[in-house]
Amino acid sequence: KAGVTQTPRYLIKTRGQQVTLSCSPISGHRSVSWYQQTPGQGLQFLFEYFSETQRNKGNFPGRFSGRQFSNSRSEMNVSTLELGDSALYLCASRSLAGAHEQFFGPGTRLTVL
Amino acid sequence: GNSVTQMEGPVTLSEEAFLTINCTYTATGYPSLFWYVQYPGEGLQLLLKATKADDKGSNKGFEATYRKETTSFHLEKGSVQVSDSAVYFCALIGGSGGGADGLTFGKGTHLIIQP
Repeated sequence: KAGVTQTPRYLIKTRGQQVTLSCSPISGHRSVSWYQQTPGQGLQFLFEYFSETQRNKGNFPGRFSGRQFSNSRSEMNVSTLELGDSALYLCASRSLAGAHEQFFGPGTRLTVL
Repeated sequence: GNSVTQMEGPVTLSEEAFLTINCTYTATGYPSLFWYVQYPGEGLQLLLKATKADDKGSNKGFEATYRKETTSFHLEKGSVQVSDSAVYFCALIGGSGGGADGLTFGKGTHLIIQP
C-alpha cells in the first residue's frame, strides 16, 4: 500500500505571496492532519480534516487554511507569507479505526525569502 | 493542555551502547503515547506506541513502557547501531487535556552513534 505523498517537496516563495501544498493520504484513510516543523518551535499541529470537514485546529493565525476533497486528498494554503513561515510542513493520515496512529509523509520544505 | 518533555541532546553514544531517552508528559485522562523517528531529510516514522497504562511498545529492538504513575514513556534499546542515528520524538494524543485530534510532540532528541 502506498504511503502518504506530499507535493511539492520543495518550494521557494517571497514574502507576501501565497502557497498551496498538497497531500494524498494512504488509501482508505479518511483523516488528514497537517503539522509545521521549525527549529525553534518544533512540531506543531495545524489542523485535521475528516470527510471534508475541519475537525480540530491548532493555534495558528487565519492565514493558514486547508481543505479536503471527496477522495480524502487535502491541500493546505498559507496566504501573505512571512519569513517565519519557513518550515517543513508535514501531512499525516490515519484510519480512525486505529489507536490514533498517524502515518506521515516526507514533508514539503517551504522557504520564504 | 497536553505537553511532552524530553531530553534534547545531542546524545552521543558508541556502537553497542545502551540507550535511554527520557520522556515525561502532562495530560489528563489516558492519552496514547508514541515514539517517532526522523532521519535526515525525511518525514516522521512511527517507531512504537502504547495506548494504556503498563503497555509496552516495541519495535526494531526499541522498547518503551507507558507508566501512568510517573507519567513517563522512556525509550530504551540494549545495543545501538550507527544506523540508529536520527532524531527521536516522543508524542501523545488524546486524554482530556485538549488537542484530542492532534499529536503533541516533545522537542526531539538528536541521537548520534559513533562506530
